[in-house]
Amino acid sequence: DTAVSQTPKYLVTQMGNDKSIKCEQNLGHDTMYWYKQDSKKFLKIMFSYNNKELIINETVPNRFSPKSPDKAHLNLHINSLELGDSAVYFCASSPAVGLAGRGQYFGPGTRLTVT
Amino acid sequence: TQLLEQSPQFLSIQEGENLTVYCNSSSVFSSLQWYRQEPGEGPVLLVTVVTGGEVKKLKRLTFQFGDARKDSSLHITAAQPGDTGLYLCAGAGNQFYFGTGTSLTVIP
Repeated sequence: DTAVSQTPKYLVTQMGNDKSIKCEQNLGHDTMYWYKQDSKKFLKIMFSYNNKELIINETVPNRFSPKSPDKAHLNLHINSLELGDSAVYFCASSPAVGLAGRGQYFGPGTRLTVT
Repeated sequence: TQLLEQSPQFLSIQEGENLTVYCNSSSVFSSLQWYRQEPGEGPVLLVTVVTGGEVKKLKRLTFQFGDARKDSSLHITAAQPGDTGLYLCAGAGNQFYFGTGTSLTVIP
């Protein structure tokens, strides 16, 4: 049973296109996250949702828009894709908003390549 | 931004050797996690340490949280090729702040 799943695993698209990445968790967690991992493997948080409400919105271009239809799903829509958006995007979930810090559970990642 | 510096950045050792990875920050965290990430996969949570000075053992892996809750170390005894991967520390504050990563290669 997959705990945190993401689709698609790979996404190759041209500049200017709009694309979405979907994420689902079956762990019953309240909090979900989107991270971007660059070519140097640094993980940077983009967004965090707690019970469908946005709680963290780091400095991310407004071309990126997260949507959480329910607490088990957090999707990421990207408009007008740019070359610099190429990276691996990870969805994650945790049982609490960072404070208790029990840790996060990550999806397998979506490798986005913009050409 | 609460920066977590890991050292070394890269480590290549022979099977059977011991190693230590460090995670340092000037910020205090309520807890700290260690993850291992293998190529093409997401990070996998190894351990969470909460109390300053806490030591946790997971088979051949020993994790320590600094007394001031600003730093942590991961020690691996008798490394095996299966330990190869990217090791990431993450500090918990009002969000999770990830370290710069340590890429470990264990040569058979």
